[in-house]
Amino acid sequence: NAGVTQTPKFQVLKTGQSMTLQCAQDMNHEYMSWYRQDPGMGLRLIHYSVGAGITDQGEVPNGYNVSRSTTEDFPLRLLSAAPSQTSVYFCASRGGGFYEQYFGPGTRLTVT
Amino acid sequence: AQSVSQHNHHVILSEAASLELGCNYSYGGTVNLFWYVQYPGQHLQLLLKYFSGDPLVKGIKGFEAEFIKSKFSFNLRKPSVQWSDTAEYFCAVNIDRGSTLGRLYFGRGTQLTVWP
Repeated sequence: NAGVTQTPKFQVLKTGQSMTLQCAQDMNHEYMSWYRQDPGMGLRLIHYSVGAGITDQGEVPNGYNVSRSTTEDFPLRLLSAAPSQTSVYFCASRGGGFYEQYFGPGTRLTVT
Repeated sequence: AQSVSQHNHHVILSEAASLELGCNYSYGGTVNLFWYVQYPGQHLQLLLKYFSGDPLVKGIKGFEAEFIKSKFSFNLRKPSVQWSDTAEYFCAVNIDRGSTLGRLYFGRGTQLTVWP
């Protein structure tokens, strides 16, 4: 199993541009989530999904959209990038039963 | 709102020193507790977890944590740290209830620096 994969690893955007961060998992996990990590802030939940077709907002959803058309994929869309969205983004997934989440390698995004 | 507090933002130790990192949470119901570690430039990895049973849990690399329900705490310990333990450590709590099922609430992290 590849686990949780994320692309790209690095991205630089200009203010106002849009882009999609990709996340995929091959563990047949129902639950997937997106976090952003900022220095001194820990990880904050952006959006999450409890299954295909079901998504919900986390703590910091503004400026981001998600969709979940398949169990495997959970892309995160930045609608109009802002410098405040400069961060490291982690995707995570977990299966049923025990609540351990598996994290992807992260995407480092810089918005200028 | 639920919260997770890590009181130490940056801890600096010499090799072989003992380590204890504090973690407190604010929810009074059933919780699942985790410690994650993030080595420089890497993603989060699970260090240990507590769901039920023995409140003293042992994880990888010699780490352990004790769940004290009355104190809402889940402190991380290691008797003798190594230079390779230099990393950021995150406490996380999952609240086992309804719509929040599966959501993890993270503390702000503790940066541990170990000098050789």
